[in-house]
Amino acid sequence: GDSVTQMEGPVTLSEEAFLTINCTYTATGYPSLFWYVQYPGEGLQLLLKATKADDKGSNKGFEATYRKETTSFHLEKGSVQVSDSAVYFCALSDRYGGSQGNLIFGKGTKLSVKP
Amino acid sequence: EPEVTQTPSHQVTQMGQEVILRCVPISNHLYFYWYRQILGQKVEFLVSFYNNEISEKSEIFDDQFSVERPDGSNFTLKIRSTKLEDSAMYFCASTEDRQSSGNTIYFGEGSWLTVV
Repeated sequence: GDSVTQMEGPVTLSEEAFLTINCTYTATGYPSLFWYVQYPGEGLQLLLKATKADDKGSNKGFEATYRKETTSFHLEKGSVQVSDSAVYFCALSDRYGGSQGNLIFGKGTKLSVKP
Repeated sequence: EPEVTQTPSHQVTQMGQEVILRCVPISNHLYFYWYRQILGQKVEFLVSFYNNEISEKSEIFDDQFSVERPDGSNFTLKIRSTKLEDSAMYFCASTEDRQSSGNTIYFGEGSWLTVV
């Protein structure tokens, strides 16, 4: 079945460092791809999404590009801040383009940013 | 910003007991979900609910589990005869329209269930 694999954490970076969190997927159809973030003590929040190949999702300085040829959706940020410390989840939707029912998640990657 | 609220935030229960986890989805949303995350594992889909009935469920969602929308605002997950392996974080979620690409699915903060 469909699945998502993301890099194991935790990831510890210094403020202003470059961030990459790798995410690859397997899917029988043409999924939509998402990054969710969970800040300490809060629920899962949608960070960004992409619904078709070569789409780039972006939000709060984070970016991810839907790469169908490599089945990847890596999350990047050029300069992280302490406030970016959170757990990041890559996910796909096995339904219609853009629909977010029945998400399939990766295990999550914990990011800690030190001042 | 509207939010999904869940109670309790943490519950400890004896093995074999019944547990009810409660959720208040965002008021104009039509689709509701439960997901769970066992410590160190992936967030897993349990069930989706629309128009007062289950629209889809995963293999995990067996007869031990049930969902209900008893009063038009709450959305509950009942776990009967809890087992140690039911210990997990349970997330409730809702979305306005499942079919629309423009809509966001909103998650609650989760209810942490510990079965002892």
